[in-house]
Amino acid sequence: DADVTQTPRNRITKTGKRIMLECSQTKGHDRMYWYRQDPGLGLQLIYYSFDVKDINKGEISDGYSVSRQAQAKFSLSLESAIPNQTALYFCATSDLTDRAKNTEAFFGQGTRLTVV
Amino acid sequence: GNSVTQMEGPVTLSEEAFLTINCTYTATGYPSLFWYVQYPGEGLQLLLKATKADDKGSNKGFEATYRKETTSFHLEKGSVQVSDSAVYFCALTVTGTASKLTFGTGTRLQVTL
Repeated sequence: DADVTQTPRNRITKTGKRIMLECSQTKGHDRMYWYRQDPGLGLQLIYYSFDVKDINKGEISDGYSVSRQAQAKFSLSLESAIPNQTALYFCATSDLTDRAKNTEAFFGQGTRLTVV
Repeated sequence: GNSVTQMEGPVTLSEEAFLTINCTYTATGYPSLFWYVQYPGEGLQLLLKATKADDKGSNKGFEATYRKETTSFHLEKGSVQVSDSAVYFCALTVTGTASKLTFGTGTRLQVTL
């Protein structure tokens, strides 16, 4: 089983609909992240969280919200989806406690979202 | 701010050819540097990393040296295989920024027989 699991893997939704992407991890890491990947742009950070009470905006948070339901779960919501939110979304985790490795991130397999 | 610039792809090579993918960076602090690889249909996996100047990261025959004087972290492999076909991302993170990664745009590598 994957250490970082994202659901769904693929989703097509209509403009204006609310959609939630879910991420769960079994690595026991404190830090979790949501990134968006667009062709030719690399990955951009949407939100990140240090723990269930600590949520922070990334570079491109407009139009998105998140919820850290537990240490192992971090969900991304699009309140009213629009076509330019069509992208590949990745959840990632990293370990706060091991200073030698605390900058390494572990990624899920991604969710391909299409907004029509 | 922080940024990463890597060569555009796609890069097409024959099996056993030498690979170089260029990566340069700008950073406001003292960065750690990474190469991540994304195989088709999968998430990103860490390929190698270097945390201080002159460090060489290596893994699976790939290597990259952290060059502070040229702000570069070029990825090299002496003999590529078809199984190396993937998208390669150069990235950095700076101490004190919560391990947030700044990525390059990615370089697609295609290796043919």
